[in-house]
Amino acid sequence: DQQVKQNSPSLSVQEGRISILNCDYTNSMFDYFLWYKKYPAEGPTFLISISSIKDKNEDGRFTVFLNKSAKHLSLHIVPSQPGDSAVYFCAASVTGNTPLVFGKGTRLSVIA
Amino acid sequence: SAVISQKPSRDICQRGTSLTIQCQVDSQVTMMFWYRQQPGQSLTLIATANQGSEATYESGFVIDKFPISRPNLTFSTLTVSNMSPEDSSIYLCSVEPVVRNEQFFGPGTRLTVL
Repeated sequence: DQQVKQNSPSLSVQEGRISILNCDYTNSMFDYFLWYKKYPAEGPTFLISISSIKDKNEDGRFTVFLNKSAKHLSLHIVPSQPGDSAVYFCAASVTGNTPLVFGKGTRLSVIA
Repeated sequence: SAVISQKPSRDICQRGTSLTIQCQVDSQVTMMFWYRQQPGQSLTLIATANQGSEATYESGFVIDKFPISRPNLTFSTLTVSNMSPEDSSIYLCSVEPVVRNEQFFGPGTRLTVL
């Protein structure tokens, strides 16, 4: 049973446009959510996180939105750049119970 | 953020052999973890490496297959024992610095078992 789901395995976006990556979760105990970016042959790199007490967190071109009632979060990248092309993983955890639960990832391709 | 290195970066091994993967962090961290990413799959936690005590394994993973050592706060090893082709994966160590919620990952070890 997958507790964190990324239903789109891939996404293509034109350079300069917005990229929206989606993530759904089933465990209502999750209260901390993270996005990681992974390039080939590298480990995942932490991108941005959000606590369940917020519904939005912004860091430069990256914004994460959390909809607790829908158990849904999304990552917005504006404007998208070719260097953003990577696999993006959504992860969730219960604060105080550290192990992260990851989705399967979405491969983003930003086309110049 | 912590700087994490892993050795080896990749290896090709024969069925039935064992491989030990090392993880070194540039600062002392309380929490260290080992993950596996099988082809096309998400990252799956194998175990939490505890300093000074036995590792805590997740469901589906056992110590005999994946023995882990954590001799100090900056170093850990994961051994993949009696390997089979199904063990072909990327193995990643990660750490959680004491004052942060985020985990930071090493570059991974790509293992292929023939």
